[in-house]
Amino acid sequence: QSVLTQPPSASGTPGQRVTISCSGSSSDIGTNYVYWYQQLPGTAPKLLIYRNNQRPSGVPDRFSGSKSGTSASLAISGLRSEDEADYYCAAWDDSLTSWVFGGGTKLTVL
Amino acid sequence: VQLVQSGAEVKKPGESLRISCKGSGYSFSSYWISWVRQMPGKGLEWMGKIDPSDSYTNSSPSFQGHVTISVDKSISTAYLQWSSLKASDTAMYYCARTIAARRGPVDYWGQGTLVTVSS
Repeated sequence: QSVLTQPPSASGTPGQRVTISCSGSSSDIGTNYVYWYQQLPGTAPKLLIYRNNQRPSGVPDRFSGSKSGTSASLAISGLRSEDEADYYCAAWDDSLTSWVFGGGTKLTVL
Repeated sequence: VQLVQSGAEVKKPGESLRISCKGSGYSFSSYWISWVRQMPGKGLEWMGKIDPSDSYTNSSPSFQGHVTISVDKSISTAYLQWSSLKASDTAMYYCARTIAARRGPVDYWGQGTLVTVSS
């Protein structure tokens, strides 16, 4: 069982906006930055959002992140077929002194 | 930035194994290397990280004692090693460049090494 909690699945139609939630605790999300990774089918994960809401160069501004208290969210606007992937949130856990991940959310573009 | 991992492995329970991860395109000793496990059809699990400059490691309690993380900075290569594999070690293993700080995150990932343990 993952330390961070994500919904196992999400879906939307092209052009729609979808959000993926990530719930943690005071020792992880509550006190540390949240990161989001995208894993396209059969490939290695890729950094999508860092420090809660920052995008690495090359990541479209359709992707945005936010954090409030012990929860975080990833929003994808203008959904495209190539966004179909697994999305993982991650945060440092001060109690475990380890990185912890969410269980992942499989996004389906209908 | 490139992290190139060694090829897929098929091993029997009880055997030993070392897989590798070679970094290039950046100053290898200026970033840590993390290892992340992904079991078949499952999510990501952080195993631990190593500082190439002094070989200091920080491991997840879930993996401590079962795997060894090491590095040879002279050839910009990190390693993940098992002394006695179990069937439950069957997974994809990723190495990833990690920002050199206590809470430093992973930014770039290797392509993964598939380890299959079966009798």
